[in-house]
Amino acid sequence: SAVISQKPSRDICQRGTSLTIQCQVDSQVTMMFWYRQQPGQSLTLIATANQGSEATYESGFVIDKFPISRPNLTFSTLTVSNMSPEDSSIYLCSVYPGTNNEQFFGPGTRLTVL
Amino acid sequence: TQLLEQSPQFLSIQEGENLTVYCNSSSVFSSLQWYRQEPGEGPVLLVTVVTGGEVKKLKRLTFQFGDARKDSSLHITAAQPGDTGLYLCAGARNAGNMLTFGGGTRLMVKP
Repeated sequence: SAVISQKPSRDICQRGTSLTIQCQVDSQVTMMFWYRQQPGQSLTLIATANQGSEATYESGFVIDKFPISRPNLTFSTLTVSNMSPEDSSIYLCSVYPGTNNEQFFGPGTRLTVL
Repeated sequence: TQLLEQSPQFLSIQEGENLTVYCNSSSVFSSLQWYRQEPGEGPVLLVTVVTGGEVKKLKRLTFQFGDARKDSSLHITAAQPGDTGLYLCAGARNAGNMLTFGGGTRLMVKP
């Protein structure tokens, strides 16, 4: 398994601003992912954060809105840009250490956009 | 279209009752995971099943992977209030591939 921390744990932001969420892992992992979980919903994959190259985005998510950095094998950031109330969600990072497709999740960042 | 259909979406039961949550798909998965998520936390991995027909037990929880690896079930015996949470199934089509999550089952166990 892996121990994952996220910062901030929650934030309340004004529309039009941007927020950067940090994800730190206690060990080196090749694959890191960012998910969105809207209120009362399941998880939707935003993108795969690739170390040393651009993130791979899922349908419906674009780099301009959700820029991602992955400077090394233990850290990644997700920025939610030009926020609107529709971006209010829990944002989760996860890691795949490489066994049986098992992913381990951070505690999430609860974002509220006013 | 949800690749993984999870049912029921909501379940409210009394302590001591049994329940089963289903996760169904028309696609074959190389592995399937079950997670539980409590409010304010990320999903926590409960179990991974990889072999068709596999059954795994975790205390009062029994997980089964369908013979054709297209479906799975989670059975809880004598549910307790501590079992309350959001249960998520997630499947991977290929080894090392991304996970597809089911819609989730929100379970409430009343004392």
